[in-house]
Amino acid sequence: QSALTQPASVSGSPGQSITISCTGTRSDVGNYNLVSWYQQNPGKAPKLMIYEVTERPSGVSDRFSGSKSGYTASLTISGLQAEDEADYYCCSYAGNSIGIFGGGTRLTVL
Amino acid sequence: QVQLVQSGAEVKKPGASVMVSCKASGYTFTNYYIHWVRQAPGQGLEWVGVINPKDATTRYARRLQGRVTMTRDTSTSTVYMEVTSLTSEDSALYYCAKGDATWSFDFWGQGTLVTASS
Repeated sequence: QSALTQPASVSGSPGQSITISCTGTRSDVGNYNLVSWYQQNPGKAPKLMIYEVTERPSGVSDRFSGSKSGYTASLTISGLQAEDEADYYCCSYAGNSIGIFGGGTRLTVL
Repeated sequence: QVQLVQSGAEVKKPGASVMVSCKASGYTFTNYYIHWVRQAPGQGLEWVGVINPKDATTRYARRLQGRVTMTRDTSTSTVYMEVTSLTSEDSALYYCAKGDATWSFDFWGQGTLVTASS
């Protein structure tokens, strides 16, 4: 099974909003509302930012939001801050207790 | 507080096997899945597999099917992952992560670096 498709990089200026897409198929993103998003800083373990497409764990800023349409899930970060600069990964349930990650997106805050 | 503590770095020859452990604390071990995720140097995250500590059922990524085995010891709240027939493509940082029915991973171990090199 191929990785979910994410843009390799996105960038934005402080205060702006950016959106990272995550495109799958009818076997994963399109069939389940079990998409999560992770932020990873260099040398650190990933951190859960969004689960079940739109839900935010306790402690995650409300500047982070998630959505889904068809086979594509999206992570939006509003009011971009320098501390948001990191790699972001989506993950989807793909049925039969199998998971699949996206290839990752590097966010640069200009 | 929830903690997942993994075993230390390993260097193995190609063709050998490696076993990595993940000791859980701070929650009821049998109530949550443990997933393994790996990250090759400079690369993205790859889902490796999952074990249900309650009944030891497992599921593995197709790419590693037949070479990876996950087990658990409920007496010590520890999960083990063994990868056999190592190649250079298995060289990666291996993470264990706690999961639930939402198929998301809310707590992660610190990672274990596995290097397969002659």
